[in-house]
Amino acid sequence: EAGVVQSPRYKIIEKKQPVAFWCNPISGHNTLYWYRQNLGQGPELLIRYENEEAVDDSQLPKDRFSAERLKGVDSTLKIQPAELGDSAVYLCASSLVGRTEAFFGQGTRLTVV
Amino acid sequence: AQRVTQPEKLLSVFKGAPVELKCNYSYSGSPELFWYVQYSRQRLQLLLRHISRESIKGFTADLNKGETSFHLKKPFAQEEDSAMYYCALMLERGGYNKLIFGAGTRLAVHP
Repeated sequence: EAGVVQSPRYKIIEKKQPVAFWCNPISGHNTLYWYRQNLGQGPELLIRYENEEAVDDSQLPKDRFSAERLKGVDSTLKIQPAELGDSAVYLCASSLVGRTEAFFGQGTRLTVV
Repeated sequence: AQRVTQPEKLLSVFKGAPVELKCNYSYSGSPELFWYVQYSRQRLQLLLRHISRESIKGFTADLNKGETSFHLKKPFAQEEDSAMYYCALMLERGGYNKLIFGAGTRLAVHP
């Protein structure tokens, strides 16, 4: 079992450029989360999916961030355009419906220069 | 507002010493609390949850509603316990659950 798979592991981009992150959850996990973790802080939820439906995106900065989960499996998170303050680790997690334990991926470390 | 506070950024102890990682929460509802751990170069993973009342790797945590605390304890620290530890609070929002994490405490166990 590979667990939650994220790519890329690292990404360095210039400000104002677009960037996308990809997540493949654990097979059978209907719930998928994207978190952002700033340096020295704990993860903060950006968006939560139940199957293909975004059920909580209240913390997603919708002017520049977007996410999708087509077919209720893989998910992508996009930032366009990126700003310096977007530098962080972006974590994807998944869980079974109704279960509270979330399984995390290795994360993508984004550096915006 | 709902909040999780971990007052110590770093806790440094010697092998065999007792460990207590502090966690306080602010929540008006019935809390469900967790401890997550991240070892070096590994992913964040669940260590234990208060409803299970279990001991994992020698760690225990008791929910104290009067003090709104959920401190993580281990009587004798081991070098392999060195890691980042995050306390997390589960909120119920619109029928769905949401985890709020503290800022984390780095535990360093020295030989």
